[in-house]
Amino acid sequence: NAGVMQNPRHLVRRRGQEARLRCSPMKGHSHVYWYRQLPEEGLKFMVYLQKENIIDESGMPKERFSAEFPKEGPSILRIQQVVRGDSAAYFCASSRDSTGNTIYFGEGSWLTVV
Amino acid sequence: AQRVTQPEKLLSVFKGAPVELKCNYSYSGSPELFWYVQYSRQRLQLLLRHISRESIKGFTADLNKGETSFHLKKPFAQEEDSAMYYCALRTQGGSEKLVFGKGMKLTVNP
Repeated sequence: NAGVMQNPRHLVRRRGQEARLRCSPMKGHSHVYWYRQLPEEGLKFMVYLQKENIIDESGMPKERFSAEFPKEGPSILRIQQVVRGDSAAYFCASSRDSTGNTIYFGEGSWLTVV
Repeated sequence: AQRVTQPEKLLSVFKGAPVELKCNYSYSGSPELFWYVQYSRQRLQLLLRHISRESIKGFTADLNKGETSFHLKKPFAQEEDSAMYYCALRTQGGSEKLVFGKGMKLTVNP
């Protein structure tokens, strides 16, 4: 089991461009979570998805950010019109269907906005 | 609202010294607490969960509901323990997300 796979690991975007971060959950996992880690800060929850459904997006900024987890393919976190403040590490995590299962994290995608 | 507090940002000790990483939480439901460790620019790894009541890499943590704490302890720190440590609370119900503390950087000096 390859674990939670994120790509790209590092992404540089100019202000105003779009950033797309991809996450493939562990095999057999249908729950995906996205977290953001700003410099010198802890991880902040952004969004929780199951296949084709957004369960909790209470941590997502109201504008420019969106997430999806289609029936086929990876989960995608999309940031439109990036600004310098979006520079952060974005971590994806996944878990199995049932309640109480361990949440496993990917290695993160580091977004730098220049 | 759920909240996890790690009151100290940095802790530096010498090899062989005991360490205690503090964690307090605020949650109205029945808490499920975790400790995650993040070595330099690597993924977060689960270190401990309170329901397992196990010792991993010499670390232990006991949930104290009276003090709403879940402090992480190790009697003899090793250099390879140097990392960021995050305490986390899992919410229950419809959205089982993890709520993290801000983390604490542990440095173990030779």
